[in-house]
Amino acid sequence: ETGVTQTPRHLVMGMTNKKSLKCEQHLGHNAMYWYKQSAKKPLELMFVYSLEERVENNSVPSRFSPECPNSSHLFLHLHTLQPEDSALYLCASSQVSWGSSYEQYFGPGTRLTVT
Amino acid sequence: GQQVMQIPQYQHVQEGEDFTTYCNSSTTLSNIQWYKQRPGGHPVFLIQLVKSGEVKKQKRLTFQFGEAKKNSSLHITATQTTDVGTYFCAQIQGAQKLVFGQGTRLTINP
Repeated sequence: ETGVTQTPRHLVMGMTNKKSLKCEQHLGHNAMYWYKQSAKKPLELMFVYSLEERVENNSVPSRFSPECPNSSHLFLHLHTLQPEDSALYLCASSQVSWGSSYEQYFGPGTRLTVT
Repeated sequence: GQQVMQIPQYQHVQEGEDFTTYCNSSTTLSNIQWYKQRPGGHPVFLIQLVKSGEVKKQKRLTFQFGEAKKNSSLHITATQTTDVGTYFCAQIQGAQKLVFGQGTRLTINP
């Protein structure tokens, strides 16, 4: 256990469904991240919530929508996904300060299949 | 954005053989992190290198940061079956963004 939990662990959804992925960290960190890991690409950073601001990868489609209600919880809202969105979605957290960055702790991931 | 290139993509060794994976960048890196992901698992932090020419060891693992801070390597001496997995280097961009290399997948013949 790394102190980062994700639910659900597996999700199968149709292209017209709306679902949400949840992440929770118990490490007291101030930054949380969403990554996408697919078979043919390296780990791809999707969104960062850090130091009270959100940073996003401009290549992420708008059908992915993050939400971070507080420093311990992170959501990824999914709607009208495409089959190519099938992947492992990993949440991570870390402690950051201006000018410094520390290791990231990853959750177990949600294996998403879009049919 | 800046990318780190990692080679090789795959490596298969006999148990007891050594293994090395390399990370290369065309630009100077402020620092670099290494992660290991076991099959079916999630990335786990191994180490962070910051200083030019830095060498750090963790038991059978040796991590190096190049003098010009443009490359890094991870060397495993006398591999064991527990070393199986994918090893990623990651480049830190700013305080918030971690850009991962493609990873080297290590498989071991016992």
